[in-house]
Amino acid sequence: GAVVSQHPSWVICKSGTSVKIECRSLDFQATTMFWYRQFPKQSLMLMATSNEGSKATYEQGVEKDKFLINHASLTLSTLTVTSAHPEDSSFYICSAFTGTVYEQYFGPGTRLTVT
Amino acid sequence: QQQVKQSPQSLIVQKGGIPIINCAYENTAFDYFPWYQQFPGKGPALLIAIRPDVSEKKEGRFTISFNKSAKQFSLHIMDSQPGDSATYFCAASKGGTYKYIFGTGTRLKVLA
Repeated sequence: GAVVSQHPSWVICKSGTSVKIECRSLDFQATTMFWYRQFPKQSLMLMATSNEGSKATYEQGVEKDKFLINHASLTLSTLTVTSAHPEDSSFYICSAFTGTVYEQYFGPGTRLTVT
Repeated sequence: QQQVKQSPQSLIVQKGGIPIINCAYENTAFDYFPWYQQFPGKGPALLIAIRPDVSEKKEGRFTISFNKSAKQFSLHIMDSQPGDSATYFCAASKGGTYKYIFGTGTRLKVLA
């Protein structure tokens, strides 16, 4: 149980375009989802907290207009990187929280490369 | 106060050895301390977690030791295997927010 999927697993886009990443909880309802960014050989950096039906809460220094987060249902959250630039290239990971235990369940990640 | 300091940055042990990874925190409001294992190109997977009211927890070959007064906790991997070679992250969470503050990670290599 507690499986989280991400789609796509890998995406290449051109500079200036937008790309959407989906995060789904497959076998449970997630009251909260989190979006992280990870650079090579570095730790996970929390970008934003997403609650179903409400606006996402962004961490300090994260551009909310560049990283649009939507949590339309209890099983789906999306991250849209708008007007992507090469510096947005990174590994993006989501996690889902059930609200009943402290554990976060992580997705497999999405590798974004902006050319 | 929000940081979680993790050491060492990297670690090499022989098969069967017991690698130990340490984490320290400042914020006494943290009340949940998980350890995650991450393989290259994959998302982190929960290994084991502990709450501050317990000094030690074992799950299989993984043990967390927790020292509340010192604000430190550590992961021990018993009888380590080459398949344990991965990056390990500690984290801390404050009740009510459920947000994780991650340590900087430890790259473990277990030699066959």
